[in-house]
Amino acid sequence: AQSVSQHNHHVILSEAASLELGCNYSYGGTVNLFWYVQYPGQHLQLLLKYFSGDPLVKGIKGFEAEFIKSKFSFNLRKPSVQWSDTAEYFCAVNAAGGYQKVTFGIGTKLQVIP
Amino acid sequence: GAGVSQSPSNKVTEKGKDVELRCDPISGHTALYWYRQSLGQGLEFLIYFQGNSAPDKSGLPSDRFSAERTGGSVSTLTIQRTQQEDSAVYLCASSLGTSGRSTDTQYFGPGTRLTVL
Repeated sequence: AQSVSQHNHHVILSEAASLELGCNYSYGGTVNLFWYVQYPGQHLQLLLKYFSGDPLVKGIKGFEAEFIKSKFSFNLRKPSVQWSDTAEYFCAVNAAGGYQKVTFGIGTKLQVIP
Repeated sequence: GAGVSQSPSNKVTEKGKDVELRCDPISGHTALYWYRQSLGQGLEFLIYFQGNSAPDKSGLPSDRFSAERTGGSVSTLTIQRTQQEDSAVYLCASSLGTSGRSTDTQYFGPGTRLTVL
């Protein structure tokens, strides 16, 4: 079974600061990787996902994530955060091929101070 | 179009009572998932439906929990004899489910906050 570890549970940044949220997974086979985001008062929604090809994935709102297979990592980055990026971010993983249960991390709460 | 809807949005019940939580997925989505989010925890998978059948029930925590899906659409999660540890936000998600692809994006509902007194 796979597991996901998100290192930072609560991050506080000033506007325009750069963001990197760590995500590591444990699974020996081929995986699909996801970042979901939940803005205050809104539903969880997909930010970006990786399943093959270029390991640098670009998502909505200027976010990107890089899959580093050797490090079992899929860190989320944004060069300059905005107040509107305040949200909770969840990393998730499943095994590739057919239906596979998605395992979510515990989430990281990001607070951006104007 | 309409997203995933869940009802009720909040449910307060007494220990020992049964509760039913409802999920209306996006029209045309054949896959449906239930998750539980407890305070300070990530999303805990409960059950997966493809159409009306549930090929993966591995996350249901006890036999007090059951779920069904009818007409390939609406799903109901039932918790019998509720306990205080059942208090959590219960999230439903749906996806296209085409050929059971593992890469499908899941679309989440707003959740039902269950409080067991």
